[in-house]
Amino acid sequence: ETGVTQTPRHLVMGMTNKKSLKCEQHLGHNAMYWYKQSAKKPLELMFVYSLEERVENNSVPSRFSPECPNSSHLFLHLHTLQPEDSALYLCASSQDPGRGSSPLHFGNGTRLTVT
Amino acid sequence: LAKTTQPISMDSYEGQEVNITCSHNNIATNDYITWYQQFPSQGPRFIIQGYKTKVTNEVASLFIPADRKSSTLSLPRVSLSDTAVYYCLVGDWNAGNMLTFGGGTRLMVKP
Repeated sequence: ETGVTQTPRHLVMGMTNKKSLKCEQHLGHNAMYWYKQSAKKPLELMFVYSLEERVENNSVPSRFSPECPNSSHLFLHLHTLQPEDSALYLCASSQDPGRGSSPLHFGNGTRLTVT
Repeated sequence: LAKTTQPISMDSYEGQEVNITCSHNNIATNDYITWYQQFPSQGPRFIIQGYKTKVTNEVASLFIPADRKSSTLSLPRVSLSDTAVYYCLVGDWNAGNMLTFGGGTRLMVKP
């Protein structure tokens, strides 16, 4: 059971498709995050939204586009992905934006496969 | 950036105490130390957090020496269900450090 809900749980898409991942947090938190977890690699922070301000990891390709319409919802728009983008995409939220003292609460992720 | 180093894997048996150490030599003054547990196909779950000395909750204890350059997660009397990957996280992006996870420690608990 989690206060962070991600949909869909599984997604298969072709390289020319456009899809979106959705995340919703029911915890009243002020910050939301996207992480990528590839096989045998550490969790990689992709994007952070904090009080409507976006903090971006510069190494994220432009084919990944986040959107945060309000403090409870976060989207990751995907287009023209590559097979190496196949991974588990995790959404997280925290009470205080980005503070190390504010634990992250994760959803169970979307398992993305790019064919 | 407070990079962390943990053992890649550990084995234990049911009922034993397990200690997992994380090194973070360049931890900053404002950084907290947070540990997470992750099961396959699930998101990481918060276990415990500390800043200095010792912290204990119903699940684990966290020991942090005075120099804060390392920390040890202690799991008392582990069971098979504690088999998971454990991550140590140090950082505070408000200070310019992204909340970056290390490689984690894969704990295998055997009967």
